[in-house]
Amino acid sequence: GAVVSQHPSRVICKSGTSVKIECRSLDFQATTMFWYRQFPKQSLMLMATSNEGSKATYEQGVEKDKFLINHASLTLSTLTVTSAHPEDSSFYICSALPTSSSYNEQFFGPGTRLTVL
Amino acid sequence: DAKTTQPPSMDCAEGRAANLPCNHSTISGNEYVYWYRQIHSQGPQYIIHGLKNNETNEMASLIITEDRKSSTLILPHATLRDTAVYYCIVRVGVNYGQNFVFGPGTRLSVLP
Repeated sequence: GAVVSQHPSRVICKSGTSVKIECRSLDFQATTMFWYRQFPKQSLMLMATSNEGSKATYEQGVEKDKFLINHASLTLSTLTVTSAHPEDSSFYICSALPTSSSYNEQFFGPGTRLTVL
Repeated sequence: DAKTTQPPSMDCAEGRAANLPCNHSTISGNEYVYWYRQIHSQGPQYIIHGLKNNETNEMASLIITEDRKSSTLILPHATLRDTAVYYCIVRVGVNYGQNFVFGPGTRLSVLP
């Protein structure tokens, strides 16, 4: 099956710093990637939709200037958490939607656990 | 909001079948039923999906009622590694470019 990777898998940073999370589709191309956030004991919540070569679409309540998304190629999307604060500590998960119509599912990455001290 | 309702938790004995129900009474004619699961601190894993007919793969079976208002995911011989949160999601096919909307899911605990 198709694989989506995320890097790093875990990151700890100080308050006020910026953190970049990468999401890669390893063996397929993805025009669209999604970024989710998951707090402990809660479900996944969509943050934004990332389309290759265009600006991301953010969900209501998600600050686009704080969560910068770049989808510069068909296999890579990045999420940068700027000026991170403890309340940004969460599990961030990306998913990739294959460009090819031969796939019937969306593929999720393993997640990145961010801890802001 | 998620278009599905699932019981918050279920237990199942190891080796027995786990039957996870899902209600989706407002499902549209062009919407599929997808099942994913999430093992603790991992990304969601695809299990199975279907439109009208029952489906089976190496992981599970999906039984969809004739009116399509509910479905059941069956893990035929549950193991301890099947302990996870199971999400039932209805949506149009992936080629429409939409995201998956996750509800709270069912936390399945497989007991030894």
